[in-house]
Amino acid sequence: QKEVEQNSGPLSVPEGAIASLNCTYSDRGSQSFFWYRQYSGKSPELIMSIYSNGDKEDGRFTAQLNKASQYVSLLIRDSQPSDSATYLCAVGGGGADGLTFGKGTHLIIQP
Amino acid sequence: GAGVSQSPRYKVAKRGQDVALRCDPISGHVSLFWYQQALGQGPEFLTYFQNEAQLDKSGLPSDRFFAERPEGSVSTLKIQRTQQEDSAVYLCASTHDYSGANVLTFGAGSRLTVL
Repeated sequence: QKEVEQNSGPLSVPEGAIASLNCTYSDRGSQSFFWYRQYSGKSPELIMSIYSNGDKEDGRFTAQLNKASQYVSLLIRDSQPSDSATYLCAVGGGGADGLTFGKGTHLIIQP
Repeated sequence: GAGVSQSPRYKVAKRGQDVALRCDPISGHVSLFWYQQALGQGPEFLTYFQNEAQLDKSGLPSDRFFAERPEGSVSTLKIQRTQQEDSAVYLCASTHDYSGANVLTFGAGSRLTVL
C-alpha cells in the first residue's frame, strides 16, 4: 500500500513570509513527485513537479526532493493571501499507474 | 477541447439510484484517470485507462462502480445502487503521455450527493 503523508494543518503564515510544506512517502520506488494547489470547491492544479534529488525553483516556489529520506517539500517565498489553499503532495511510480495523493495541507496566509 | 470537461457538475441522487458521470479529456490525451475525493481528503485513485483499455481498476470501491472508455476518448463512470458513502467529488484527469506518472490535468469534477 503506497502512502503519502502530509500534516493537514491549518498552517498559518504571515503575508510576505516563507511557507514551508512537507510530505513523506512510503514507496522507495517512486519516481515522480508533484505539488498541486486546490482552492476550496475547485479541482487540483499543478504548481510544481520534481523528478531528481535537490531543489527546483519556479518563481516564488521551490520544490525539494530527498529520495534517501523519502521526503518532499515545497517552499513558497513572499507568501500572498492568494496562496491560501490546500496543497496536495502527489507521488508517482514512473510507470503506467496513477498518482498517490496525500490528504493535503491547508495553508492560510494572514494579511 | 481546451481542458478536461466533466458533467454533470452537480448530481443529487436518492440512495439506490444509478448515476453516470461523464469525462471528456483533452483531445489527444491517451491516458485517463478517475479519482474520488471525499470532503477534507486527498484524491483517491479509482481507475486508469490507456486509450480504450482499462489497465487498472484496483481502486474501485465495490462492484457497484464501473467505468468505460469504449472509443478511447470520452469516459463514463457509473455507480449502481448508490449509497450515502458514495457522496464525494469525482475527478477525472488526463495526460498525453503513456506513463501514468506524467503530469495530470484535472477536470472541474462532478460533485455527487447521495441522500
